[in-house]
Amino acid sequence: AQSVTQLGSHVSVSEGALVLLRCNYSSSVPPYLFWYVQYPNQGLQLLLKYTSAATLVKGINGFEAEFKKSETSFHLTKPSAHMSDAAEYFCAVSVAGGTSYGKLTFGQGTILTVHP
Amino acid sequence: DAGVIQSPRHEVTEMGQEVTLRCKPISGHNSLFWYRQTMMRGLELLIYFNNNVPIDDSGMPEDRFSAKMPNASFSTLKIQPSEPRDSAVYFCASSLLGLAVNEQFFGPGTRLTVL
Repeated sequence: AQSVTQLGSHVSVSEGALVLLRCNYSSSVPPYLFWYVQYPNQGLQLLLKYTSAATLVKGINGFEAEFKKSETSFHLTKPSAHMSDAAEYFCAVSVAGGTSYGKLTFGQGTILTVHP
Repeated sequence: DAGVIQSPRHEVTEMGQEVTLRCKPISGHNSLFWYRQTMMRGLELLIYFNNNVPIDDSGMPEDRFSAKMPNASFSTLKIQPSEPRDSAVYFCASSLLGLAVNEQFFGPGTRLTVL
């Protein structure tokens, strides 16, 4: 079975500062990894996904994530935070095959607060 | 495309009543997922369908919950009878699953309050 651990349920940064949201995964087979963002009272929106093509993945709104197999990590970064980035972020893992095929296993989420 | 459509957006009901949540997936997608989100338990997968067939319902809390997908463009999640602990936001998501795993597209959710 797959699992995801997001380190830090709350992260606070100043506007213009680096954003780093941590995600570690566990999977016995090559994983597919996703980052989603959820704004208040909305559904989840895909930020980016890793599908074994390139280890550095660029997403929407200036976010990117790097897949590091040796560290089983897929941390999300953005060089300069904007007030509009304040939201909850979810890391998720899936695999292509077996009984878990296509299912997403989500982390517990990280709430990002951006201070002026 | 209109995206995943869910109705109603908000539902307030009394304990013991039947509740039906509805979902229209994105046209052409072959998989549909029902999730429940609460503060205490986060995002939980309840059930998912592939080509209208339920594949995994291990997340359905108990017999009070049932889900159907009569055709490729419609699914329902029913709770009968409802209880206060069922209060949550319920999301529907759809995806196109093939040789690769593609992302799931989420609807706006239904906020259910059971009094």
